[in-house]
Amino acid sequence: DSGVTQTPKHLITATGQRVTLRCSPRSGDLSVYWYQQSLDQGLQFLIQYYNGEERAKGNILERFSAQQFPDLHSELNLSSLELGDSALYFCASSDAGTYISDTQYFGPGTRLTVL
Amino acid sequence: AQKITQTQPGMFVQEKEAVTLDCTYDTSDPSYGLFWYKQPSSGEMIFLIYQGSYDQQNATEGRYSLNFQKARKSANLVISASQLGDSAMYFCAMKGNAGNNRKLIWGLGTSLAVNP
Repeated sequence: DSGVTQTPKHLITATGQRVTLRCSPRSGDLSVYWYQQSLDQGLQFLIQYYNGEERAKGNILERFSAQQFPDLHSELNLSSLELGDSALYFCASSDAGTYISDTQYFGPGTRLTVL
Repeated sequence: AQKITQTQPGMFVQEKEAVTLDCTYDTSDPSYGLFWYKQPSSGEMIFLIYQGSYDQQNATEGRYSLNFQKARKSANLVISASQLGDSAMYFCAMKGNAGNNRKLIWGLGTSLAVNP
């Protein structure tokens, strides 16, 4: 158990809908990262938050947004969902995320299926 | 731009034998970190081992060791005494220290099957 929690574990929804994925980082970790893992594109970095502020952005679509709250939990919002958004969404957390050696610890993931 | 290459899409190993999973990387950063993660069929991503580019010795964690060859830009994972529970996808990842290179970038993974 990495100490990172994600809810829900599974989510099935329809095209055009909006969903929210939730993540609680390990105790003491200030950075939260979101990743998308699909069969055809591998693991893609979406976005990083550090202590409530956006720190780095990856291949995140405009239909997707995220935030980190004062208690450090984070939410990833996916809207106008398309079939291609079906994937495993991971949240990871690390200490500060500043140092090269800062290890990211992953949650169990949310498997999103868009029908 | 940074890049991670894992050239072995699938590997087989006999239980109790050692196996090496290859990872090569490309970066212009003088300082960087290399990570290996394991993803079993259940889906979770498990951190295994870390190697810093300036570390003098190869990293080891239990049955996992990293064969780090800086001049060749390779960071191969060695699993000794394979167990059935080692069957999983294994991902190599790298993080630099300059600007955009601070993001963790990933290889496409190697699927390892341990045969009884």
